[in-house]
Amino acid sequence: AQSVAQPEDQVNVAEGNPLTVKCTYSVSGNPYLFWYVQYPNRGLQFLLKYITGDNLVKGSYGFEAEFNKSQTSFHLKKPSALVSDSALYFCAVRDVGYSTLTFGKGTMLLVSP
Amino acid sequence: EAQVTQNPRYLITVTGKKLTVTCSQNMNHEYMSWYRQDPGLGLRQIYYSMNVEVTDKGDVPEGYKVSRKEKRNFPLILESPSPNQTSLYFCASSRQLKTVTANTGELFFGEGSRLTVL
Repeated sequence: AQSVAQPEDQVNVAEGNPLTVKCTYSVSGNPYLFWYVQYPNRGLQFLLKYITGDNLVKGSYGFEAEFNKSQTSFHLKKPSALVSDSALYFCAVRDVGYSTLTFGKGTMLLVSP
Repeated sequence: EAQVTQNPRYLITVTGKKLTVTCSQNMNHEYMSWYRQDPGLGLRQIYYSMNVEVTDKGDVPEGYKVSRKEKRNFPLILESPSPNQTSLYFCASSRQLKTVTANTGELFFGEGSRLTVL
């Protein structure tokens, strides 16, 4: 089975500070990992993915994520948060033996001015 | 413009009255899927389709039907809606990987359909 956990319902950060949104996963094989963002009243948008190779992957809007196999984590990061980054963030995983993604429950990111 | 279009965006209906939520994509994607989003539960997959005439159950298929007669369309059918199907529904599409039976993971989502069943 494949599963993903986002341990924080909400993350609060001040504008200009670095942000981290946490994600851990469970798979039996090699994971394919993804981050999506959902702005209010919109559908989800793809941010970035890890398939193989470099553990640090870069994505849209200045976001990056670090794959850590030993800790089974794929945390989303950004060096300097913007108020416009406030949104709901979803982590997702696909095990090598599966054909579809499993999403986490989402983490609300609130960036204050 | 590449997009996934869902209709209706908002719908209030009553228990037992059949309804269909349409989904259409213009990217020639093989893979399409329906999700429902509920507070505290995140995104759960209802049904998915790897290609025309190929559909499979997701995690929460009870009370729903789908069909994939054309590549671009993937309607979601609620034959007899119940209040527990009140939710925000999303359709998504993606290209298929060439080497394995799986999508690329880069899903394109529609804007969502908010359904209320009274």
